[in-house]
Amino acid sequence: NAGVIQTPRHKVTGKGQEATLWCEPISGHSAVFWYRQTIVQGLEFLTYFRNQAPIDDSGMPKERFSAQMPNQSHSTLKIQSTQPQDSAVYLCASNPLGITETLYFGSGTRLTVL
Amino acid sequence: SQLAEENSWALSVHEGESVTVNCSYKTSITALQWYRQKSGKGPAQLILIRSNEREKRNGRLRATLDTSSQSSSLSITATRCEDTAVYFCAANNAGAKLTFGGGTRLTVRP
Repeated sequence: NAGVIQTPRHKVTGKGQEATLWCEPISGHSAVFWYRQTIVQGLEFLTYFRNQAPIDDSGMPKERFSAQMPNQSHSTLKIQSTQPQDSAVYLCASNPLGITETLYFGSGTRLTVL
Repeated sequence: SQLAEENSWALSVHEGESVTVNCSYKTSITALQWYRQKSGKGPAQLILIRSNEREKRNGRLRATLDTSSQSSSLSITATRCEDTAVYFCAANNAGAKLTFGGGTRLTVRP
């Protein structure tokens, strides 16, 4: 079991560019979560999917951020027109719904916006 | 405001000593989880304690839950240098979504 896989591990973009972050959940897990981690704000919930359907996006910034889960094996978080304040570690987690509340996290993608 | 929050920003102990991290939470919860995050990694769960449980153990770790005071603690005995990490409490209050506290940075010195 390789765990949750996130790619790339590091991404550097220029201000105004687009960034796409990828997440491959643990096989068989039906829920996928995205969190953002910064020193100032800590671990912030962004959004989550259950059986590929968006369930709760209450933490997503209303502009420029979008997330998708086109199939059960991957999810993407896209940030358009990146800004320096988007710099953070973006963490993906998966969960086998109905079995445990435990979230299994990937190692994250560190996004740096210059 | 945070649903769950650790009471200390940082703690430091010598190897072999015991240490306790405390957490307080708001509103009702279905479960309280403790996670540990090491540098360059995502958080990894240590213990899950449900709202109808008062104590849970996992090796050198012991978590307690007091729903009347809305608080939880995580104790680590016989600490090791490899216990150095950031420790988070996280609350489930409805469904699968977890809300994390700000974390307590624990340093275990040789």
